[in-house]
Amino acid sequence: EPEVTQTPSHQVTQMGQEVILRCVPISNHLYFYWYRQILGQKVEFLVSFYNNEISEKSEIFDDQFSVERPDGSNFTLKIRSTKLEDSAMYFCASSRDRQETQYFGPGTRLLVL
Amino acid sequence: QKEVEQNSGPLSVPEGAIASLNCTYSDRGSQSFFWYRQYSGKSPELIMSIYSNGDKEDGRFTAQLNKASQYVSLLIRDSQPSDSATYLCAVNKGFGNEKLTFGTGTRLTIIP
Repeated sequence: EPEVTQTPSHQVTQMGQEVILRCVPISNHLYFYWYRQILGQKVEFLVSFYNNEISEKSEIFDDQFSVERPDGSNFTLKIRSTKLEDSAMYFCASSRDRQETQYFGPGTRLLVL
Repeated sequence: QKEVEQNSGPLSVPEGAIASLNCTYSDRGSQSFFWYRQYSGKSPELIMSIYSNGDKEDGRFTAQLNKASQYVSLLIRDSQPSDSATYLCAVNKGFGNEKLTFGTGTRLTIIP
C-alpha cells in the first residue's frame, strides 16, 4: 500500500541553524501539507501546496518557513533560522484532492537546542 | 470557543465493550470530518471519514455525523487492548479550504 515517507526521522539542531525536512508524498496525490505537533499539544496546520505553489498557510508559517517541490517526488519544508519553540514533530501529508482524506507520514522529530 | 472540541479523557473502557468518542465543531459550514488514531510518538492514522449526516460503518467502527448539532462521534465495538490510543477528530471547512483543524484528542484506554 502506498505511503508517505519522511526523512530524517529525528533531527537535532542548534538555535539559529537552518533545517530542511523532506517528504515523499503518495505518487498520485496532488495536494501536499505540513503539520506540526508540539509535545502534548494538538496537531496544527502549517501549509498546503498544490500545483507548485502555496495554496493556504497558517499564522505559524511565517517568513522563516518555506516549502518547495524540487523534483517530481520530493516535498520539503525549510526552516531558515530555527528557534527553541520550533521543537516539535513535523508531519507531511498528502491527498488526492482538496477535501479528500489526508494521509500522514511518520513524522520528523525536530529538537532545537 | 474552540474550533474543534473533544473531551481529553482519559476514557477507560473494558475489553469487549463499546467505546464512544465525541467531537463538536464550531463552523457550521464544515464539510468533511475525519477520525484519526494516534499512538504515542507516532503519526495520525486514518480510521474513518464521513461527509454526510447519518452513520457510516467500517468493521468495528461507526462514525456518526449530525451537522445540525455540529457533532460527530466515533463508536468502537468489541474494544481491544490494541485500540488504546489517542483519537483525533479533524474537520475540513470546505469551500476551497484545504487544512484540517484538529481537536486535542481523546485518550482511550482499553482495560483487559
